[in-house]
Amino acid sequence: QKEVEQNSGPLSVPEGAIASLNCTYSDRVSQSFFWYRQYSGKSPELIMSIYSNGDKEDGRFTAQLNKASQYVSLLIRDSQPSDSATYLCAVIREYGNKLVFGAGTILRVKS
Amino acid sequence: GAVVSQHPSRVICKSGTSVKIECRSLDFQATTMFWYRQFPKKSLMLMATSNEGSKATYEQGVEKDKFLINHASLTLSTLTVTSAHPEDSSFYICSARGIGQVSEAFFGQGTRLTVV
Repeated sequence: QKEVEQNSGPLSVPEGAIASLNCTYSDRVSQSFFWYRQYSGKSPELIMSIYSNGDKEDGRFTAQLNKASQYVSLLIRDSQPSDSATYLCAVIREYGNKLVFGAGTILRVKS
Repeated sequence: GAVVSQHPSRVICKSGTSVKIECRSLDFQATTMFWYRQFPKKSLMLMATSNEGSKATYEQGVEKDKFLINHASLTLSTLTVTSAHPEDSSFYICSARGIGQVSEAFFGQGTRLTVV
């Protein structure tokens, strides 16, 4: 079982719709959760971090964390073509300090 | 946000030569730096973690004699790919974490290495 799992996609949504990206993790003691956006040929850019159960909103982005289900998601409202990228979910375990990345989900927003 | 600068952004080298990649934290002191490698359409693979003033900790399967990491100051870490081979061609990315930054890391722009 992979430590961090994501559906590779591509996930295609029309412009203006809500894009929902999902991630599960295997280590129950994980404490910190992150969503990164990576454009082709570029390095990852941090979008959201979340540390406690519930929702965290920042502009068009909402991160949702459910530690009981070991599940973290990212919602992008009013999706734009510029949101088209690979979205990486990353987790930090309690006892280590390194980020563990999922394989990423490709998002395509069609205008 | 914090800025991490990585140089060069692209490099082409001949097989058998060595290439040095620099990673600098521009506006904070980076106590920990991470080096990743990414193949096309794949996720980031952590190669090693380096703390300022100490030896790097390499991930399983990463040859420490081939990928030399130096973290001599709180603002600079270098990765040297020694005796490069075509299979070392990849996208190398560094990230840095500063004092008080428990969880988040900021990424450099990445270096596209092509070995011919």
